[in-house]
Amino acid sequence: QVQLVESGGGLVRPGGSLRLSCTASGFTFSDYYMSWIRQAPGKGLEWVSYIRGSGSNIYYADSVKGRFTISRDNAKNSLYLQMNSLRAEDTAVYYCARGESEAAQQPFDFWGQGTLVTVSS
Amino acid sequence: DIVLTQSPDSLALSLGERATINCKSSRSVLSTSNNKNYLAWYQQKPGQPPKLLISWASTRESGVPDRFSGSGSGTDFALTISSLQAEDVAVYYCQQYYSVLFSFGPGTKVEIK
Repeated sequence: QVQLVESGGGLVRPGGSLRLSCTASGFTFSDYYMSWIRQAPGKGLEWVSYIRGSGSNIYYADSVKGRFTISRDNAKNSLYLQMNSLRAEDTAVYYCARGESEAAQQPFDFWGQGTLVTVSS
Repeated sequence: DIVLTQSPDSLALSLGERATINCKSSRSVLSTSNNKNYLAWYQQKPGQPPKLLISWASTRESGVPDRFSGSGSGTDFALTISSLQAEDVAVYYCQQYYSVLFSFGPGTKVEIK
């Protein structure tokens, strides 16, 4: 069965960096677009970033462009989010999610349980 | 960027009542090439990740009870729960995937009166 497991969250000071990981299993990881989506405490969902199966197409929300970098290692079935210059408003649960099929524009059919990132001094 | 709005912000209904949640897009999410609406609905219960209920505006995902249905086209959409059950208490989000700069609506909280 499809599983997505995030890790790497924690407490970091403003201006600091953190690298999130998402380990996938139960499907051919390299075939699927993957995204990071976040949810601030008590708030709604915000899409963060998106990467094609091959890693060749990448998109970011304006709120993180220039600070966050998405990447993947298909040999390790892993998705990453390098977060730099972190701000208090980046505090959120970060989910990785899979596009429903191998095409580009798909809803997110599987989500991990999320990892909490807290940016505070 | 495509902005989604939802109404109402919350609703409280009795068990068995019909619930309707609306989602309006700032731009059409209907593709003229394949006549599909790039609009999904998710259910999120406390402490859980979102669950995909409906894709392509009206296609129910496998295992989703048939009391959930989606409708609409272009810029105006709705999620209907035909007979509200206790386990349907959750926040519901619409999401567009017409643009790869994906976006979600702000959510509608559904409670039992």
